[in-house]
Amino acid sequence: QKEVEQDPGPLSVPEGAIVSLNCTYSNSAFQYFMWYRQYSRKGPELLMYTYSSGNKEDGRFTAQVDKSSKYISLFIRDSQPSDSATYLCAMSASGAGSYQLTFGKGTKLSVIP
Amino acid sequence: GAVVSQHPSWVICKSGTSVKIECRSLDFQATTMFWYRQFPKQSLMLMATSNEGSKATYEQGVEKDKFLINHASLTLSTLTVTSAHPEDSSFYICSASPYRGRDYGYTFGSGTRLTVV
Repeated sequence: QKEVEQDPGPLSVPEGAIVSLNCTYSNSAFQYFMWYRQYSRKGPELLMYTYSSGNKEDGRFTAQVDKSSKYISLFIRDSQPSDSATYLCAMSASGAGSYQLTFGKGTKLSVIP
Repeated sequence: GAVVSQHPSWVICKSGTSVKIECRSLDFQATTMFWYRQFPKQSLMLMATSNEGSKATYEQGVEKDKFLINHASLTLSTLTVTSAHPEDSSFYICSASPYRGRDYGYTFGSGTRLTVV
């Protein structure tokens, strides 16, 4: 079993839809959870991060972490064509030396006008 | 905000030659930088951790003699792919953080697409 599982999609939705992206993980040591957005042939850009369990909202984006289920989600409200990209979840264990991020494979999202 | 510049954005080289990729932190100092490789439709895989003034730490399965990393200053790390072969063709991305001791403040470079012919 891979440490981080993410459905690669592709996922296609109409403009204005609510998008739900998810990852599951197996390493209970993960404490930091991040979502990155990656446009084609570009490096990832950090969208949101969450420490431990809980919800975090930033504009149209909401990140949820359920450590008991080892499950994280990213919700995008009122999706726009500009949201079309690959979304990567990433995780990290806490503590000194745990700087490395473990990424999911990414979910390719297309928002159709 | 923190900016990481990566150069070149793409490169084509002949099999057997070496290619150098630069990663610069433009507005902060980075004692640690990370190098990732990403194959099409695959996740980013950490190759090595670049430490300023000391040897890089390579992940299991990554040949340190093939992927030479130099982190000579607090703002520059370089990855040299030596004796490149077609199977080395990939998207290479570096990242760095201005936050010492925190895990989530990473900024990624724009990546380098390497094609070995």
